[in-house]
Amino acid sequence: DVVMTQSPLSLPVTLGQPASISCRSSQSLLYSDGDTYLNWFQQRPGQSPRRLIYKVSNRDSGVPDRFSGSGSGTDFTLKISRVEAEDVAVYYCMQGTHWPPTFGQGTKVEIK
Amino acid sequence: EVQLLESGGGVVQPGGSLRLSCAASGFTFSNFAMSWVRQAPGKGLEWVSAISDGGGTTYFADSVKGRFTMSRDNSKNTVYLQMDSLRAADTATYYCVKEDSDEPGVDPSFEHWGQGALVTVSS
Repeated sequence: DVVMTQSPLSLPVTLGQPASISCRSSQSLLYSDGDTYLNWFQQRPGQSPRRLIYKVSNRDSGVPDRFSGSGSGTDFTLKISRVEAEDVAVYYCMQGTHWPPTFGQGTKVEIK
Repeated sequence: EVQLLESGGGVVQPGGSLRLSCAASGFTFSNFAMSWVRQAPGKGLEWVSAISDGGGTTYFADSVKGRFTMSRDNSKNTVYLQMDSLRAADTATYYCVKEDSDEPGVDPSFEHWGQGALVTVSS
């Protein structure tokens, strides 16, 4: 199975400051159709996961534009341009290029 | 609006069985594959199983293969997870997740999740 490695695992951030989460895969996530199936999920305390970003950089409907995704091959990044209180959550990357789908360990974003 | 509502969670002894159900609405259920993803208390997300739109194909994580089965009833818009020979390590919240295609495989998407059903395996 493809191993997804996130860093850091804990990220204290000051309100209004940027945050960045790295996700690395053990194999390239570029599929033969030219797409890269790397998604990002947000899980707030006590809630189900919510998809934020799909195929590396596409924001889901209703996701604030302070969230952005980038990367290619095996290296990917989720950025929050200015952290707000409602962004306190655990963030997971997930690959869907290789079967079975696999998730990163999660990065906990908290307010400093 | 897509809605997924899990039920059937509870406490079961090691070696016991439990069946989870997931009732779907807001989309044409028979056109889409479905998955189960679980999360142990305080831990990360783990894909468990998937089923094709017609129910003819199922897939399982190695950790549950041979113990769990997945099925669906398209007339009831419901998918099931039958869990047998349960172990303490199976203790988790189980989420029902809609896929974007008819067959599990590339790009499971996982855009829509249920609220989860808690399964506790303990004596």
